[in-house]
Amino acid sequence: AQSVTQLGSHVSVSEGALVLLRCNYSSSVPPYLFWYVQYPNQGLQLLLKYTSAATLVKGINGFEAEFKKSETSFHLTKPSAHMSDAAEYFCAVSDQGGNTPLVFGKGTRLSVIA
Amino acid sequence: DAGVIQSPRHEVTEMGQEVTLRCKPISGHNSLFWYRQTMMRGLELLIYFNNNVPIDDSGMPEDRFSAKMPNASFSTLKIQPSEPRDSAVYFCASSVQGSHTQYFGPGTRLTVL
Repeated sequence: AQSVTQLGSHVSVSEGALVLLRCNYSSSVPPYLFWYVQYPNQGLQLLLKYTSAATLVKGINGFEAEFKKSETSFHLTKPSAHMSDAAEYFCAVSDQGGNTPLVFGKGTRLSVIA
Repeated sequence: DAGVIQSPRHEVTEMGQEVTLRCKPISGHNSLFWYRQTMMRGLELLIYFNNNVPIDDSGMPEDRFSAKMPNASFSTLKIQPSEPRDSAVYFCASSVQGSHTQYFGPGTRLTVL
C-alpha cells in the first residue's frame, strides 16, 4: 500500500522568504509523485510531477521539488514566496502514473505574511 | 479548451433525499476518477473508470453510493439515501493514457441537513 505524509498542516512564511513544504512517501514500487495546489473553493491544479526521469523537477509558478529515494522524500520549494502562493498544497503518490488513483497527503496550508 | 465540468457546484439537501452529482471529463480522456474531500479524512478515492469500465470501487463507502459512466463524456455519482455524514466536496478528475496528469474539476460541495 502507498501512503504520503506531509509534515506540518500549516506553514507560515514572510513574503520573499523561502518556501519549504515537506512530503515523505511510502511505496513498494517505484513511485510517481505529484504536488497539487488548491486555492479556496477551487479544484486541484497540478504544480509538478516526478515520473522517474530527472530527480529535480521544475513546475509552474517557480516551484520545484527534488526526489530523494534514500530519504523517501519529495519536498516542495520556492526561493521567494509571493502573496499569491497562499493556498493548500497536497503531495500525492501513485504506482502507475496518471491513469491510476492518487493517494494524497493531508495537505499543508501555506500562509504568506506581508 | 474546457476543463473537467462538474454540476451542480453546490447542493444542499435533507437527510434521506437522493443526490446525483455529474461530471463531464475532458474530451479524449479515457480515465475518470471520483474523489471526496473532508476535513477529517482529507482527499480519498471513491471509484475510478478506465474506458468507461469501473476498475476499483473499494473506496465507495457503502451501498448508498453508486457511480456510472454510460459513455466517455459523462459520469454520475449517486447517493441514495443521503446522510449528514456524506457532507463533503466531491471532485471528479480525468486523465489520458500516458500523460501522468489528472485534471480536476471545480468540485461539488454537498451539504446534507
